[in-house]
Amino acid sequence: GAVVSQHPSRVICKSGTSVKIECRSLDFQATTMFWYRQFPKQSLMLMATSNEGSKATYEQGVEKDKFLINHASLTLSTLTVTSAHPEDSSFYICSARTLSREGYNEQFFGPGTRLTVL
Amino acid sequence: GQNIDQPTEMTATEGAIVQINCTYQTSGFNGLFWYQQHAGEAPTFLSYNVLDGLEEKGRFSSFLSRSKGYSYLLLKELQMKDSASYLCAAMDSNYQLIWGAGTKLIIKP
Repeated sequence: GAVVSQHPSRVICKSGTSVKIECRSLDFQATTMFWYRQFPKQSLMLMATSNEGSKATYEQGVEKDKFLINHASLTLSTLTVTSAHPEDSSFYICSARTLSREGYNEQFFGPGTRLTVL
Repeated sequence: GQNIDQPTEMTATEGAIVQINCTYQTSGFNGLFWYQQHAGEAPTFLSYNVLDGLEEKGRFSSFLSRSKGYSYLLLKELQMKDSASYLCAAMDSNYQLIWGAGTKLIIKP
């Protein structure tokens, strides 16, 4: 099946530093990748949609200058949290969209990155 | 607007059957997905329905009624490892997933 990897799985950083999270589709090419954030006991919140070779589309309320997204290839997207603050501490999950064998659009999720900003 | 509703929490007994309901309102419709998410982990795909009816996959089944904007996930022979959150998501006309808040399922021995 389709596998999406995410690195790092956990990161602890000091306030004011920047953190980069990588998302890779390992056995398929993904023209579209998604970045989600999830706070404890809440559902997934879509942050942005990333298309290969073009600028990401950010959801309302998500600061594009703070959450930099780069989708350099069909298998790699990165999310950089710039000047991180404690309120940015969250579970960040990427997903990649591909066409299933049955012919429908399907999203596969990476394992997530737990970010803690001290 | 687009909206997904599902119960916040449900409790069931090991070995029993539980049905988790989901209603949706989206701009266009390209299918209904169910995902399972254990605490601290990312969601994993369970099922996809785009046509009306029941799709059975082992202990899990998913049902869709497009005219009613309604789906349910049926879990049989519940096991303790089924304790998780179950997320309902509808895909809109732009192929974007609209997510419900998730149903936390608690299994008791």
